[in-house]
Amino acid sequence: QQQVKQSPQSLIVQKGGISIINCAYENTAFDYFPWYQQFPGKGPALLIAIRPDVSEKKEGRFTISFNKSAKQFSLHIMDSQPGDSATYFCAATYTGNQFYFGTGTSLTVIP
Amino acid sequence: GAVVSQHPSRVICKSGTSVKIECRSLDFQATTMFWYRQFPKQSLMLMATSNEGSKATYEQGVEKDKFLINHASLTLSTLTVTSAHPEDSSFYICSAIRGPSHNEQFFGPGTRLTVL
Repeated sequence: QQQVKQSPQSLIVQKGGISIINCAYENTAFDYFPWYQQFPGKGPALLIAIRPDVSEKKEGRFTISFNKSAKQFSLHIMDSQPGDSATYFCAATYTGNQFYFGTGTSLTVIP
Repeated sequence: GAVVSQHPSRVICKSGTSVKIECRSLDFQATTMFWYRQFPKQSLMLMATSNEGSKATYEQGVEKDKFLINHASLTLSTLTVTSAHPEDSSFYICSAIRGPSHNEQFFGPGTRLTVL
């Protein structure tokens, strides 16, 4: 059973546009929701994370929106750049014992 | 952010040999480390959870005798692929949890294993 569902599988955005990736979860015990960015041949890197006591967190061009009642959270990349082209994974965990990952979104930003 | 190193980054070996991959947290103590396997264009597949000083917990379907994990200290975990076969060829990634009060997971750069 997929604990975290991620969409879309792939996304193509024009340079300067907004990239939006969505995730949904079932387990209300999850208390930490990170997003990871992965370039080909590299390990994932923590991009931004949120806890369920806030509805939004912004770091630079990256924003997480969190909807606790809908059990959904999303990543918004403002002013998308070609250097943002990568695979993005959402995840969820409680107590940090195990992380449940989404299936990933391949983002391509066209110049 | 915290730094996790992984060594080697790339290894090619003959079928039947054993390969050891090291994972180190460089600037923090990791109470828990994870080992993942990733196939091309797929998500991360958790293989095992490693806690310092105790036996690793393996996910269902992962052979503990084939993938030996040792978490010798709060900064070092090793994965040994024993008697490697071509089907073990994959991208192996470790991660470390900065804890105990944090849930932040930091990943190593990964190891590309190719078994001939």
